[in-house]
Amino acid sequence: QVQLQPSGPGLVKPSETLSLTCSVSGYSISSGYFWGWIRQPPGKGLEWIGSIFHDGNTHYNPSLWSRVAISVDTSKNQFSLKVDSVTAADTAMYYCAKDYGDLVAFDPWGQGTLVTVSS
Amino acid sequence: EIVLTQSPGTLSLSPGERATLSCRASQSVNSRHLAWYRQKPGQAPRLLIFATSNRATGIPDRFSGSGSGTDFNFTISRLESEDFAVYYCQHYDNSPPRCTFGQGTKVEIK
Repeated sequence: QVQLQPSGPGLVKPSETLSLTCSVSGYSISSGYFWGWIRQPPGKGLEWIGSIFHDGNTHYNPSLWSRVAISVDTSKNQFSLKVDSVTAADTAMYYCAKDYGDLVAFDPWGQGTLVTVSS
Repeated sequence: EIVLTQSPGTLSLSPGERATLSCRASQSVNSRHLAWYRQKPGQAPRLLIFATSNRATGIPDRFSGSGSGTDFNFTISRLESEDFAVYYCQHYDNSPPRCTFGQGTKVEIK
């Protein structure tokens, strides 16, 4: 079964770059599907950050696109997220997830990793 | 930009009761790309319904979805203890490619 595990620093300073990696097991990213990043500020709802296809084709949330980059490394079966110039508003639980098929939904999701932006 | 508005914000019910949640889109959407998730406290969301009315793998039949155009509903026929959680609707638009979540409905024990 497909499993996703996000990893990365739990604390990032304001104005720096947030970097996370999602390691995928049980499925080869190069076989297809979109792979997404979604975040959730403490006590709030879900916000889609962006998605990437195995060939590098990306979709980004227009409200974040100028600061966000998603990449894929098929050799490591991983995909990554970078968010530039972070502020306290970027503090959130960050989830990675697999497209269920044809962009109908995300499933499964990784367990999430909490990133706090603070000096 | 499509906005999804969920109602009510909070639903207070007892175990065994029926729950009906609403998700309204700001413009007509492709029902194939409308999904529902359940998020239990401290956990990642779990897909329950995709393409408006299709249950995801392993999801019991007490969960159902319906709707079209701008109005979509999600129903839990008989609430069980694990169903007291927050529910989100989601739409993924192909053109331009964009994913939107509703703000969530909390189903709490009355």
